[in-house]
Amino acid sequence: DAGVTQSPTHLIKTRGQQVTLRCSPKSGHDTVSWYQQALGQGPQFIFQYYEEEERQRGNFPDRFSGHQFPNYSSELNVNALLLGDSALYLCASSLKDRRKPQHFGDGTRLSIL
Amino acid sequence: QQQVKQSPQSLIVQKGGIPIINCAYENTAFDYFPWYQQFPGKGPALLIAIRPDVSEKKEGRFTISFNKSAKQFSLHIMDSQPGDSATYFCAAIPNAGGTSYGKLTFGQGTILTVHP
Repeated sequence: DAGVTQSPTHLIKTRGQQVTLRCSPKSGHDTVSWYQQALGQGPQFIFQYYEEEERQRGNFPDRFSGHQFPNYSSELNVNALLLGDSALYLCASSLKDRRKPQHFGDGTRLSIL
Repeated sequence: QQQVKQSPQSLIVQKGGIPIINCAYENTAFDYFPWYQQFPGKGPALLIAIRPDVSEKKEGRFTISFNKSAKQFSLHIMDSQPGDSATYFCAAIPNAGGTSYGKLTFGQGTILTVHP
């Protein structure tokens, strides 16, 4: 039973560029959440997708956008990259119920030069 | 704004010791408290979770104690092993009239080192 898979594992971009990160949820899960984890910090909630719609959003600018596909997979897009966007981006999948466990992937390490 | 405060930042114990990690929160809308374990290069993995109507919960060597009136909760690791060396995060999910949708708010993390 495959868990949450994310791609790519590492990515290097320069300021001003755009990036797309991908996530395949655990089998049977219909909800995908994205988190940003800066070095030495706890993950910060970016947004959550359910039924192909953004259901809730954290305190992140509009440069951060996402999408969920009919097969429940998801993408995170970041435009106009800043140095401060360098972080580990984590995808978590779960069932709709907010108290159901969220299963995390191993993340995409994004470095901005 | 740090809604969940976690301490200590780092912790070193000997094998067999009982490390204790503490968390405190202010938002009374939080009503579900999971703990996650994260190894280097890996995503967080759910260890154990508790609701505020329960004062203690055990799963294997991991125990959560919850003090609702003080708005504090803690993780105890019994008979700690070198393989438990990792970063531990407490987290909280609010009940906001059905609109919280499982948004996890994490503490800052505790780096645990268990010496052989």
